[in-house]
Amino acid sequence: IAGITQAPTSQILAAGRRMTLRCTQDMRHNAMYWYRQDLGLGLRLIHYSNTAGTTGKGEVPDGYSVSRANTDDFPLTLASAVPSQTSVYFCASSDSHTDTQYFGPGTRLTVL
Amino acid sequence: GQNIDQPTEMTATEGAIVQINCTYQTSGFNGLFWYQQHAGEAPTFLSYNVLDGLEEKGRFSSFLSRSKGYSYLLLKELQMKDSASYLCAVIDSNYQLIWGAGTKLIIKP
Repeated sequence: IAGITQAPTSQILAAGRRMTLRCTQDMRHNAMYWYRQDLGLGLRLIHYSNTAGTTGKGEVPDGYSVSRANTDDFPLTLASAVPSQTSVYFCASSDSHTDTQYFGPGTRLTVL
Repeated sequence: GQNIDQPTEMTATEGAIVQINCTYQTSGFNGLFWYQQHAGEAPTFLSYNVLDGLEEKGRFSSFLSRSKGYSYLLLKELQMKDSASYLCAVIDSNYQLIWGAGTKLIIKP
C-alpha cells in the first residue's frame, strides 16, 4: 500500500450496533486524525494521536473512541451507533501536528 | 470562539481567474492551509502560508495577511477539472487545525 487507506468504503449500520472504522498509513507519520464531514459544516476533528501510544480528544469526541497501538494503525470505534453519527469519516496523517495532513479516501457511514 | 469564514459557493467561467477569500478569527496563528476536495473524494493539499505575502505554484497562488486575518486562493486559467470545494484551515496557538466549511467552485464552459 502507498499512503493512507481506510476500510470499509461504505457501511449501513443499525442503531445500537458497535462498529470499528479502520485506518492504516505506510508513510511512518507520527500524527494521525479522525474527522467527520457533514454537509455545510466542514471537517470536524473527532480524535487525534500525536504519536503511537497517545491519543487526544478533538471537537466532537462523544460516542467515539480510538487507540494507537502502533505507528501505522488508528482505528475509530463507535460503541453504540446513533443516527446522528451518519456522516463521511476521513482519517488523515502528518509528520507532526503542524505539518501537512494527508487524507484517506473516506468511509461513508449510514446509521439507521 | 474560533471562526473561519469562506463564501459558500462561487461560479466562474473556464479560462478565467477566480479569487476565493478566507477570513479567520482564531486564538493565535501558526500557519494556514488550502486544500482542494472534489465531490466524493478526500481533501488534497494545495498550499501552506505562514508568512505574509504571495506563494505561487503553477496556476494556483495563495496570499496571506496576518494583520488582517485574511487569505485568498487565486486560480488562473480555470479548467473544468478545477470544479471542486476549496477548504481553508488555520493552525491556532494550541497547534490545532481549525477548518472552514469550504467554498464550492462551479466552473462553467
